[in-house]
Amino acid sequence: DSGVTQTPKHLITATGQRVTLRCSPRSGDLSVYWYQQSLDQGLQFLIQYYNGEERAKGNILERFSAQQFPDLHSELNLSSLELGDSALYFCASSVPGGYGYTFGSGTRLTVV
Amino acid sequence: SQELEQSPQSLIVQEGKNLTINCTSSKTLYGLYWYKQKYGEGLIFLMMLQKGGEEKSHEKITAKLDEKKQQSSLHITASQPSHAGIYLCGADEPYTGRRALTFGSGTRLQVQP
Repeated sequence: DSGVTQTPKHLITATGQRVTLRCSPRSGDLSVYWYQQSLDQGLQFLIQYYNGEERAKGNILERFSAQQFPDLHSELNLSSLELGDSALYFCASSVPGGYGYTFGSGTRLTVV
Repeated sequence: SQELEQSPQSLIVQEGKNLTINCTSSKTLYGLYWYKQKYGEGLIFLMMLQKGGEEKSHEKITAKLDEKKQQSSLHITASQPSHAGIYLCGADEPYTGRRALTFGSGTRLQVQP
C-alpha cells in the first residue's frame, strides 16, 4: 500500500456519460497530480493541485475537470465520455518542496 | 517541455542475464525518477537521481545519471522473473515551476525462466 488511495479500482460506463474518480493523497502530502495512461499515449500528466489550488495543467481535455477539497482529497470529473477516454487514471501525491512522487494503484476506466 | 526517450521499447531476457535500459532527455535533467509498473497496476518508485555522475543501487538494480545530466541508465544484474514489468523514467522541471513528472514511453521487460 503506497498510502495514496484511489477509488473505484474499475469503472465501466457508456459513451456520453459522466464519471468521478477519487483520490486521497498520502498523509502530509499537499500536492495531488492526475495522470492518464493509455496504450497509444503512454503516461500523460493531466493536472496538479496544491493545497486546494490548481497549480499546473497538462494535456487535460476541456471535458475533464478536477478539484481538491479542504481535506486534500481530490476528484477528477470526466464528462461526455468517448471510447478514447478508456484508460488507466493515476493519482500521485508529493510533499511540499520534496522530490518524491507516490502513485496510487489507479482507476481503470472502460467506456463502452 | 521536456521529452524523454527510452530504449529499448521492449526486452526479452533469459533469467540470470544482465540488462540495461536507457533514458535520454532533450534537456538537462534536474530530477530523474525510475518507476516499475506491473501490467495494469500502479507505479512503484525505484530510485531518484539528481546529481551528475550519481549512482544508486537497490538490491540488483543500479541507476546512473551521466555527468551532463541528460542520460540515465537502469541496470539489472542477474535478472529474475520478478523483475518483469514496465520500467518508466520520469523527469520534473522544478525550475520552470512545473513539478509534475514527464514520462518516457516505457520499456517492457520480460524475463524467461
